[in-house]
Amino acid sequence: GESVGLHLPTLSVQEGDNSIINCAYSNSASDYFIWYKQESGKGPQFIIDIRSNMDKRQGQRVTVLLNKTVKHLSLQIAATQPGDSAVYFCAEIVNYGGATNKLIFGTGTLLAVQP
Amino acid sequence: NAGVTQTPKFQVLKTGQSMTLQCAQDMNHNSMYWYRQDPGMGLRLIYYSASEGTTDKGEVPNGYNVSRLNKREFSLRLESAAPSQTSVYFCASSEAQWALTEAFFGQGTRLTVV
Repeated sequence: GESVGLHLPTLSVQEGDNSIINCAYSNSASDYFIWYKQESGKGPQFIIDIRSNMDKRQGQRVTVLLNKTVKHLSLQIAATQPGDSAVYFCAEIVNYGGATNKLIFGTGTLLAVQP
Repeated sequence: NAGVTQTPKFQVLKTGQSMTLQCAQDMNHNSMYWYRQDPGMGLRLIYYSASEGTTDKGEVPNGYNVSRLNKREFSLRLESAAPSQTSVYFCASSEAQWALTEAFFGQGTRLTVV
């Protein structure tokens, strides 16, 4: 079944603190994961990705951690800035057999940075 | 760098009216996608086109049709709009069909059906 939510989970942090956004995925066969950032009124923007044969990947101020044992993904943002305020989505690529892959999005987390 | 361009940005329809959402990308990508985003939810795949000349259903295709006009353009049509189709629609493209690469998204079309 499909879950329906009217309210996004919200993470409120102070400017300068580190943020950790969590995501649980459902398909153990997923082999590629992406974090997207969506600012108000805009489309999702790519932040960082990770393949299933890795457990950690670092970018500029961001780190993604993958725990395949518990099917958990996290995005860590160092020294959070007001410009980081947005909704963050994790997405997984699921293979449905053959050449057919689909990008499935999670419900998102709203990051609110307090000055 | 235009990337992915969607038109219109906003639209209000009456129940039963039809319309076509346009999407064009200038990155020479093979694959294109239409998603809808409802309040408090992630994006749900409506239809996708793995390559020019092919289209396939996603998670929520009912009430929609698509046309991959050429490599650049992928349109989404609502034949008879319903209030349940009130949503924000996003078009996206990627180099290949989820070949372990990112998708680029347009700015979205905010559609209200009254």
